[in-house]
Amino acid sequence: AQKITQTQPGMFVQEKEAVTLDCTYDTSDPSYGLFWYKQPSSGEMIFLIYQGSYDQQNATEGRYSLNFQKARKSANLVISASQLGDSAMYFCAMREGLRNQGGKLIFGQGTELSVKP
Amino acid sequence: EPEVTQTPSHQVTQMGQEVILRCVPISNHLYFYWYRQILGQKVEFLVSFYNNEISEKSEIFDDQFSVERPDGSNFTLKIRSTKLEDSAMYFCASSEVWTSGREEQFFGPGTRLTVL
Repeated sequence: AQKITQTQPGMFVQEKEAVTLDCTYDTSDPSYGLFWYKQPSSGEMIFLIYQGSYDQQNATEGRYSLNFQKARKSANLVISASQLGDSAMYFCAMREGLRNQGGKLIFGQGTELSVKP
Repeated sequence: EPEVTQTPSHQVTQMGQEVILRCVPISNHLYFYWYRQILGQKVEFLVSFYNNEISEKSEIFDDQFSVERPDGSNFTLKIRSTKLEDSAMYFCASSEVWTSGREEQFFGPGTRLTVL
């Protein structure tokens, strides 16, 4: 079974508008961490935002916020005020066992975001 | 800002040859990882390494693969006899000891391995 599901292979958004990239996850572990990474066409993996399963508030990092709905097991990334430079592949990832230091990341298939001028 | 570095950026090899991919993790990090990404697919975990030994490895990480930390700074992935299906982008990542409840894994820029 897929641990991380990203159902949107591709998304378009108009520059300066907000966009939500979906991510659902599956785990029976009560402790886990959720991550979003950006992969531009150059190929590197850039960390964007992190949400721990016990965090009371949704994570925010600048224009990025995470809409964490624990009961639904979803961790959607919201990018506000999209910029042309946001065009990239976005990956959602999970690490099970919050206290399992050094645990592997499990990635979703990714969503390719294109920002239109 | 400290970063993970990887060399070479692109490696072309013949099937059956050995390759060594090199990584320099961030200096105060203690956990090291290799991931790979076949073109157009998701990133897959290969192996994690801590305290000079493998912590976890995936099914992909078979006997053809090995990792080593030969000195205080480098972390290497060796593929003994490459196959066509080993062609992929290989990412090294590192993370520090978890103290604050958040633990980003910082990725290097990747090495694109092409097996002919």
